[in-house]
Amino acid sequence: DTGVSQDPRHKITKRGQNVTFRCDPISEHNRLYWYRQTLGQGPEFLTYFQNEAQLEKSRLLSDRFSAERPKGSFSTLEIQRTEQGDSAMYLCASSLVGLAVYNEQFFGPGTRLTVL
Amino acid sequence: AQTVTQSQPEMSVQEAETVTLSCTYDTSESNYYLFWYKQPPSRQMILVIRQEAYKQQNATENRFSVNFQKAAKSFSLKISDSQLGDTAMYFCAFMSGGTASKLTFGTGTRLQVTL
Repeated sequence: DTGVSQDPRHKITKRGQNVTFRCDPISEHNRLYWYRQTLGQGPEFLTYFQNEAQLEKSRLLSDRFSAERPKGSFSTLEIQRTEQGDSAMYLCASSLVGLAVYNEQFFGPGTRLTVL
Repeated sequence: AQTVTQSQPEMSVQEAETVTLSCTYDTSESNYYLFWYKQPPSRQMILVIRQEAYKQQNATENRFSVNFQKAAKSFSLKISDSQLGDTAMYFCAFMSGGTASKLTFGTGTRLQVTL
């Protein structure tokens, strides 16, 4: 296991279509995060899971966005009825939360979404 | 809510020279962590250095060091002996110590290292 992986790396879709992204965290990591990064900006937090439980969602995550992490392993992020404003890089990160308060988040390469 | 501000959109430094990237933040919390992340062109983000707010000593990782001024809410990154491979976007980030969950990022500084 060499790190966090994301699939696909690039996605081009037409406005109104649904898209789904996948993130595979580092195998023993129990936390998984989704961030969105638009051009020229820093990543913005969307949501995170501890095992299979979704513990926090940003208000950026509109009702067109849904994320799951079945069985506490990989996660999917679905965007329904895509809009041009959804065009961004979607980053996934994972960490191992245990006794220590702080645990480093390791980032994946991201999925770049372009909505035409 | 916490905010992180990076006021230098772009910086340039010559190879082997030293450069300092600035970051300020705003929070009402006393327990938190601060980070500098590096995002090379078309590559994934990696952690450069971390600072715990309760530690007075500034963190250092090889050529990278920080100047943490808690009262001023300032957290700058110094890169010594700059190398071409340091060319990247650098993001300052904040994490609450209470929940140890999400990162709040600044808008980034694009650093170009030249010959």
